[in-house]
Amino acid sequence: QVQLQESGPGLVKPSETLSLTCTVSGGSISIYYWSWIRQPPGKGLEWMGYFSYSGSPNYKPSLESRVTMSVDTSKNQVSLKLTSVTAADTAVYYCARLSRGIPDYWGQGTLVTVSS
Amino acid sequence: DIQLTQSPSTLSASVGDRVTITCRASQSISSWLAWYQQKPGKPPNLLIYQASSLESGVPSRFSGTGSGTEFTLTISGLQPDDFAAYYCLQYKTYLRTFGQGTKVEIK
Repeated sequence: QVQLQESGPGLVKPSETLSLTCTVSGGSISIYYWSWIRQPPGKGLEWMGYFSYSGSPNYKPSLESRVTMSVDTSKNQVSLKLTSVTAADTAVYYCARLSRGIPDYWGQGTLVTVSS
Repeated sequence: DIQLTQSPSTLSASVGDRVTITCRASQSISSWLAWYQQKPGKPPNLLIYQASSLESGVPSRFSGTGSGTEFTLTISGLQPDDFAAYYCLQYKTYLRTFGQGTKVEIK
């Protein structure tokens, strides 16, 4: 059974970099596409982008200048870096595996709060 | 960007009701649409893909129809476990987009 688990700091200061990892178990990380999706408290889902081990990533244009997503096959992890964060980046961040072009397996999500 | 508009935003219903949620796309997305259910504090769960294909393990009371710009998710015989938020997702373009969500609450 595929399992995904996000980890990282729950609190990040404004203007700093948000860094999250997602550890994948139960499946090969190199043959799938992966995505990061976020959800501000009490609000809807926002697609941030998707990426794979071998292909070029596709980021949401409004985030493209600040975001980096990558795959580390040696650790079976995918990662997210978001620079210059503001309070608007406060959200639950989900990693998800893509199959048939859509998320099928999701992590449980991790809340990141941007505050000084 | 392709915009998805769900209606209604909130829906009050009773156990046993037939419930329909609509998702309209700002341009044609063929059948590249999925539906997710999300319960509080949990990640979304895939219900329907390719507009009308039921994901494995999902109860048959869930069904999806539509193509082009208009899509519906129907729950035939609402169960207590179905009170949740529902989101549509288009995957016609590299930039996937979600609808704003529909909350199904107890009447």
